Amino acid sequence: GNSVTQMEGPVTLSEEAFLTINCTYTATGYPSLFWYVQYPGEGLQLLLKATKADDKGSNKGFEATYRKETTSFHLEKGSVQVSDSAVYFCALTWGRGSQGNLIFGKGTKLSVKP
Amino acid sequence: DAGVIQSPRHEVTEMGQEVTLRCKPISGHNSLFWYRQTMMRGLELLIYFNNNVPIDDSGMPEDRFSAKMPNASFSTLKIQPSEPRDSAVYFCASGPEGYYGYTFGSGTRLTVV
Repeated sequence: GNSVTQMEGPVTLSEEAFLTINCTYTATGYPSLFWYVQYPGEGLQLLLKATKADDKGSNKGFEATYRKETTSFHLEKGSVQVSDSAVYFCALTWGRGSQGNLIFGKGTKLSVKP
Repeated sequence: DAGVIQSPRHEVTEMGQEVTLRCKPISGHNSLFWYRQTMMRGLELLIYFNNNVPIDDSGMPEDRFSAKMPNASFSTLKIQPSEPRDSAVYFCASGPEGYYGYTFGSGTRLTVV
């Protein structure tokens, strides 16, 4: 079935460090891929998305590229800030012409220290 | 736009009581989702609606859970009777046609004692 696997956390970095959070997926057909972020006490917010192979999603300095050959969608940021501390979820949805079900990974907690 | 609005933000109830969670999706969004988040299981989809019609309720844990969407601007998730293992954060999300990401509400933190 369809699934998302992301690296386990927590990830602790110093401010201005480079961030990578790995995400791989298993899906039939042509999924769309997403990264969501959840700040403490809040709901999930869409961070970025990519709807087809080789698309690059980007937002707030974060980037992820849809790699069909490696079934991956790794999240990267060149220089993290304390305000980036949150839980990051990789997700996919599938099904041409339908809304589909959004399947989430288990989340990776990021802590950025000043 | 006010986003997806959920109420209440927090609910504490005794085991056996009925609990009703409410959600107002973003106007114009035709799909609505209910998720449950726990430390053990992460985010689980309970049910989703498309154009007010339930499409997939296979994630609803048992008959104690029921969800309705009487119109495009309102949905409820009801638990009757509630049990301590239902304690979780329940999120509602809505989305437009297509699969370009959904908007989540702030969640309802339910504690059943």
